[in-house]
Amino acid sequence: GQSLEQPSEVTAVEGAIVQINCTYQTSGFYGLSWYQQHDGGAPTFLSYNALDGLEETGRFSSFLSRSDSYGYLLLQELQMKDSASYFCAVRDVVTGGGNKLTFGTGTQLKVEL
Amino acid sequence: SAVISQKPSRDICQRGTSLTIQCQVDSQVTMMFWYRQQPGQSLTLIATANQGSEATYESGFVIDKFPISRPNLTFSTLTVSNMSPEDSSIYLCSPGQGGTQYFGPGTRLLVL
Repeated sequence: GQSLEQPSEVTAVEGAIVQINCTYQTSGFYGLSWYQQHDGGAPTFLSYNALDGLEETGRFSSFLSRSDSYGYLLLQELQMKDSASYFCAVRDVVTGGGNKLTFGTGTQLKVEL
Repeated sequence: SAVISQKPSRDICQRGTSLTIQCQVDSQVTMMFWYRQQPGQSLTLIATANQGSEATYESGFVIDKFPISRPNLTFSTLTVSNMSPEDSSIYLCSPGQGGTQYFGPGTRLLVL
């Protein structure tokens, strides 16, 4: 079966650094994506790792270790607006070339003053 | 990234009725994926829609309940049939190509 595990909730203060972990067990794997979702909104794409290592995009970085079936999202210089749910998702490729995403359980990040 | 729109953005429906959700993309895409997000839950794939062939449904989802159309490479519809309160969810379409995948704004459905 497919499973992706994330912590259910993380709390941090404004300006701090927080890491959200994701461990996965999936039958197919082409990469790991991260999405942010604010209450009432749709998921928005943050980052994607197809290869091992760190990808940096502004305040957000994402890491992947395929041998460990593990990844994390690192958020630096936290701001109040970063309070949201964060989902990891494993990308698999289906016949025809399209992506299929299997989502993790989601992590609710609360940023406090 | 592609511009994706969905209609309606939200709706309140009576049980036993059906609702068709439209998804429009501003560029041609081979595959369209439909997801459901129940309240407080993660996203679950309903089905994959490829133009010119029947949609492929994930375990737990059937065509009679969630019929899908894919008349061209920029448009798709998902119908939620014979609705019950358990169908109250956000329904999201997503063109699934490349290393990044984007979602439509979602259709928020409440079934009474």
